[in-house]
Amino acid sequence: GAVVSQHPSWVICKSGTSVKIECRSLDFQATTMFWYRQFPKQSLMLMATSNEGSKATYEQGVEKDKFLINHASLTLSTLTVTSAHPEDSSFYICSAKSRVLNTGELFFGEGSRLTVL
Amino acid sequence: GQNIDQPTEMTATEGAIVQINCTYQTSGFNGLFWYQQHAGEAPTFLSYNVLDGLEEKGRFSSFLSRSKGYSYLLLKELQMKDSASYLCAAYNDYKLSFGAGTTVTVRA
Repeated sequence: GAVVSQHPSWVICKSGTSVKIECRSLDFQATTMFWYRQFPKQSLMLMATSNEGSKATYEQGVEKDKFLINHASLTLSTLTVTSAHPEDSSFYICSAKSRVLNTGELFFGEGSRLTVL
Repeated sequence: GQNIDQPTEMTATEGAIVQINCTYQTSGFNGLFWYQQHAGEAPTFLSYNVLDGLEEKGRFSSFLSRSKGYSYLLLKELQMKDSASYLCAAYNDYKLSFGAGTTVTVRA
């Protein structure tokens, strides 16, 4: 149980285009989903927290107009990187917190590697 | 804010034991997680400590001292497949903050 699916796994796009990444909890309802970014050989940096039906909470330094987060249901959150630039190339990982389990454990998606040319 | 420190790299031989230390300074601490991450993959859950003491799970054990802001992950009987990055993460309220990770290299 507790599977999180992230799509796409790999994406290459041209500078200036927008890219959408989906994060789905397949067998549980996620009250909260988190989006992380990880640059090579660095740790995961929390970008934003999204709760179903409400606006996302962004971490300091993360542009909310550039990284659009939508959490339309208890099983789906999307991250859209708007007007992507080469410096946005990174590994984006979502994680979800179960509505039922209260251990605090996060379940991670497989990650999406974005390359902006 | 969060301040989580762990060593950058460790190397050990197959069959040996490795202890990865983690110190943290966080507000509203609720627990300490350890995750394993292989290159290019998402992290996978290893352990979660809320109370002081040692939690043992097969070859992996994790220890927590809340008063000292200290945890360690103990890897026993190391195998080549254990070569990975090990992330210490402090949980406070609603989010997880990660350390930079410790890259463990297991040599034959």
